Amino acid sequence: KQEVTQIPAALSVPEGENLVLNCSFTDSAIYNLQWFRQDPGKGLTSLLLIQSSQREQTSGRLNASLDKSSGRSTLYIAASQPGDSATYLCAVVHGSRLTFGEGTQLTVNP
Amino acid sequence: DAGVIQSPRHEVTEMGQEVTLRCKPISGHDYLFWYRQTMMRGLELLIYFNNNVPIDDSGMPEDRFSAKMPNASFSTLKIQPSEPRDSAVYFCASSSAGYNEQFFGPGTRLTVL
Repeated sequence: KQEVTQIPAALSVPEGENLVLNCSFTDSAIYNLQWFRQDPGKGLTSLLLIQSSQREQTSGRLNASLDKSSGRSTLYIAASQPGDSATYLCAVVHGSRLTFGEGTQLTVNP
Repeated sequence: DAGVIQSPRHEVTEMGQEVTLRCKPISGHDYLFWYRQTMMRGLELLIYFNNNVPIDDSGMPEDRFSAKMPNASFSTLKIQPSEPRDSAVYFCASSSAGYNEQFFGPGTRLTVL
């Protein structure tokens, strides 16, 4: 059974800092990995999708990497802003199923 | 496109009542997914459809839950009878292929008293 773990569970940083969120998964037989953002009381917004054949994907200040063999992914956020405050979830796709981690709650302080 | 549309956004009902949640996927997406999010269990896949056909319902908690997709633009998740432990946020998502990016609706917050 696929298990996804995210570390840390919560993170608080001052504005402007670069930061890394971590995601690990137990079964490396995945099709892709997707990072989401969830604001309180809201739905999930897709941030990045990394195909299993890719090693990284970039969108603006966000960069996600994937090391399938070691079962790890990281989400790098550059020059963090208060508007980045949210819960970040990673999810791995195996078959057509998404298995989610518990999320990292990020707070960026002005 | 308007994205994935869910209704109602909030539902409060009493134990024993029937609850029906609705979802309209993004046009052209062949896959539709129902998820449930709780504090205790996080986000869990309940069931997904491909071309209106249920493919995997192993996440449906029990027989009180049922889901249908009568056409490509509409799906329902029904709970009958509802129980307080069903209180959660229910999300619908769609994608153009099973392993492609999934797009989520805003969710339905269900409270069963």
